[in-house]
Amino acid sequence: DTGVSQDPRHKITKRGQNVTFRCDPISEHNRLYWYRQTLGQGPEFLTYFQNEAQLEKSRLLSDRFSAERPKGSFSTLEIQRTEQGDSAMYLCASSLVRARNTEAFFGQGTRLTVV
Amino acid sequence: QQQVKQSPQSLIVQKGGISIINCAYENTAFDYFPWYQQFPGKGPALLIAIRPDVSEKKEGRFTISFNKSAKQFSLHIMDSQPGDSATYFCAASKGNGETSGSRLTFGEGTQLTVNP
Repeated sequence: DTGVSQDPRHKITKRGQNVTFRCDPISEHNRLYWYRQTLGQGPEFLTYFQNEAQLEKSRLLSDRFSAERPKGSFSTLEIQRTEQGDSAMYLCASSLVRARNTEAFFGQGTRLTVV
Repeated sequence: QQQVKQSPQSLIVQKGGISIINCAYENTAFDYFPWYQQFPGKGPALLIAIRPDVSEKKEGRFTISFNKSAKQFSLHIMDSQPGDSATYFCAASKGNGETSGSRLTFGEGTQLTVNP
């Protein structure tokens, strides 16, 4: 499979617990993005990496959220002390930066339910 | 601040008809306008995209019309089929340079239903 892979696909957790999601981008892609999508809404940008450097973070990314891309390949998104408002689909996307090409490919997402 | 506004929220079309979804943006720095299709439980998939140096782009049954002066763009799906039933999102981004993020700003989505 050469697409963007996310794991797990579904996660149910109790409020206050920590959760971690993983994203494996398309292998040659140097940019990796995290988005959050709530029911009936479009995806909202959270953060992105260029190789291993985290270049931008949305104000949506509170201090309970942290993302890493340690070797410029896969990425993890951790949410500490989860709240019910964190329930959403977390989408990862990747792209290859080159002239006039911004095409981003999305994974199937991780659906988080906080109970 | 909603930078990309999409309408309608939902759309019902008969098989063979034309589906039209509209988007308006505010940020004149946007220079890339993709449309994504999303099925339930799946991630968004790129359908077609346009840059502001052209006013129209067609790929198969899908056409984007772009009006730079009005800051509007629309998706037309010709000969709509039941398999097109999905949620469609317009999006916009600015720049693709090393120092500017090409993050996407999405519209709110349109739920399209094509009746057989």
